[in-house]
Amino acid sequence: DTGVSQDPRHKITKRGQNVTFRCDPISEHNRLYWYRQTLGQGPEFLTYFQNEAQLEKSRLLSDRFSAERPKGSFSTLEIQRTEQGDSAMYLCASSLGGWSLISGANVLTFGAGSRLTVL
Amino acid sequence: GIQVEQSPPDLILQEGANSTLRCNFSDSVNNLQWFHQNPWGQLINLFYIPSGTKQNGRLSATTVATERYSLLYISSSQTTDSGVYFCAVAYNYGQNFVFGPGTRLSVLP
Repeated sequence: DTGVSQDPRHKITKRGQNVTFRCDPISEHNRLYWYRQTLGQGPEFLTYFQNEAQLEKSRLLSDRFSAERPKGSFSTLEIQRTEQGDSAMYLCASSLGGWSLISGANVLTFGAGSRLTVL
Repeated sequence: GIQVEQSPPDLILQEGANSTLRCNFSDSVNNLQWFHQNPWGQLINLFYIPSGTKQNGRLSATTVATERYSLLYISSSQTTDSGVYFCAVAYNYGQNFVFGPGTRLSVLP
């Protein structure tokens, strides 16, 4: 088990371009989360998957953002027509959990993040 | 939505000192976790502690769920403890974690 992997670690792009980030969670984890963190702030929730189902999406996530988790394994986060305000660290976390304390504690394990800079 | 506050926002300590970090939350939660973000940005899970007290080496944490706060204690601090400490809470069994703004700790040699 190599933990949560994110790729790429750094991405520099020009405004208007599309970018895609990939997250490989811990293999037995059924939940996968995407967060965004800007300088000096705490992580902000973007979206969450239980297996392959996207169960919640933040109101912060505009229509330019889309996330998938095909087959309940890895996940991708795509940002279309990037804007300078999208510059941030994009964090992925995974956990094993369910709908009660009995089914799992949902202890989050984070990846190292993907830093996006939009010029 | 649930609000999370952390105090103090910044803390500077001499190596060997002890410290207490606080996390207040505005509503009942059933999941609370403490994280350390190192200077390279990696978030490390320190504790899963929705209630009660846990200890792990020089670190310990206490959550009083009925009074809606949690405390993280760091004893005999080391320079490697520097970074930002976040608490994160969820009220729906971990479907959506809300993070606090963090406490930035600097431990000086």
